[in-house]
Amino acid sequence: AQTVTQSQPEMSVQEAETVTLSCTYDTSESNYYLFWYKQPPSRQMILVIRQEAYKQQNATENRFSVNFQKAAKSFSLKISDSQLGDTAMYFCAFMKPNTGNQFYFGTGTSLTVIP
Amino acid sequence: DAMVIQNPRYQVTQFGKPVTLSCSQTLNHNVMYWYQQKSSQAPKLLFHYYDKDFNNEADTPDNFQSRRPNTSFCFLDIRSPGLGDAAMYLCATSSRRPGDEQFFGPGTRLTVL
Repeated sequence: AQTVTQSQPEMSVQEAETVTLSCTYDTSESNYYLFWYKQPPSRQMILVIRQEAYKQQNATENRFSVNFQKAAKSFSLKISDSQLGDTAMYFCAFMKPNTGNQFYFGTGTSLTVIP
Repeated sequence: DAMVIQNPRYQVTQFGKPVTLSCSQTLNHNVMYWYQQKSSQAPKLLFHYYDKDFNNEADTPDNFQSRRPNTSFCFLDIRSPGLGDAAMYLCATSSRRPGDEQFFGPGTRLTVL
């Protein structure tokens, strides 16, 4: 079974600073996908960034980037120039292909951006 | 805009009184999922439909049922809600293509009195 671990239940960062959220996972698969989702307070979950395991290059989306270390089974999210709107719960998710795109979620990290 | 819609956004029911939550999508996705999310926890997958094929998670209680009459709609039926079933229920969709993201609806907040 796949497990996803987010070891930081809560984090805070000053506005405009950089913060890194950690995620590790356990799998015996060689091909899989990793995601970071954001769930703002009382709002719906939206995709932040996606990484394909067979791609060595780290994914980036504007202020969001990942550090994907396949051998270490680590998938951290870096948020640069943090904004107040980044305050949210962040979930790391693992997807094994050919399973109906089923997710295995981590327990989440609650991020607060401080003005 | 293509989206995932959930109705109602808030549902109050009484202990033991059946309730149905609905989800519709305009994305024409093959796969639809129902999750239960309790406060400050990760979403827990209850079941999903791959087209018309129903896939139940092993630990989903029998109290929870689902119907998918067509591609666009999916329903979650809770036959006899208990206090422990109070939660946010999230619907999500995905295409058939491996690795595609899931698109989530806004959720239905269920309160059981």
